[in-house]
Amino acid sequence: ETGVTQSPTHLIKTRGQQVTLRCSSQSGHNTVSWYQQALGQGPQFIFQYYREEENGRGNFPPRFSGLQFPNYSSELNVNALELDDSALYLCASTRRDAVEGYTFGSGTRLTVV
Amino acid sequence: DQQVKQNSPSLSVQEGRISILNCDYTNSMFDYFLWYKKYPAEGPTFLISISSIKDKNEDGRFTVFLNKSAKHLSLHIVPSQPGDSAVYFCAASLGVTGGGNKLTFGTGTQLKVEL
Repeated sequence: ETGVTQSPTHLIKTRGQQVTLRCSSQSGHNTVSWYQQALGQGPQFIFQYYREEENGRGNFPPRFSGLQFPNYSSELNVNALELDDSALYLCASTRRDAVEGYTFGSGTRLTVV
Repeated sequence: DQQVKQNSPSLSVQEGRISILNCDYTNSMFDYFLWYKKYPAEGPTFLISISSIKDKNEDGRFTVFLNKSAKHLSLHIVPSQPGDSAVYFCAASLGVTGGGNKLTFGTGTQLKVEL
């Protein structure tokens, strides 16, 4: 069984640009969440998708948006990048009725200069 | 507002001894708690969880204890091994099942197991 895969692994963008991060969920998982982990902090919940619809959102501005596709893969889009958006972005998937924890990908390291 | 707190940023333990990692939370509505382990350049890996209806859960060398009245949980690793060296995150969620609910993470504790 394949795990959660994220692309790209590293990315450098300029302030004001837009970025799209991608995630393939683990086989059999139908719920995808995105987290932002700043240096020295724990992961912070951005939003969650289930059945292609946003199903919960953390304290992030609207310039953070996402999509989930019929195959349960997902994208995170960030517009008008700011320096503080520099972080590790983690994608996590699970089955909706699961009692075990989420399966996380290795993340995308985004640097905004 | 940090609802899940790990007040020890680092912990050093000798191989074979017990490692105890602590976590405190402020939101009494949390009723499912998880521990994740994270190696550099990898995503967090699920380790063990506990529901609020229990006060202890064991899985091999790992045991999690929950004290609801104190809003405190701890992870015990016995015996500690060098491969356990990693950052450990405590996380909490609303709802008995972890799946489908957002996780609120602490800031992590770097565990180093020395030979």
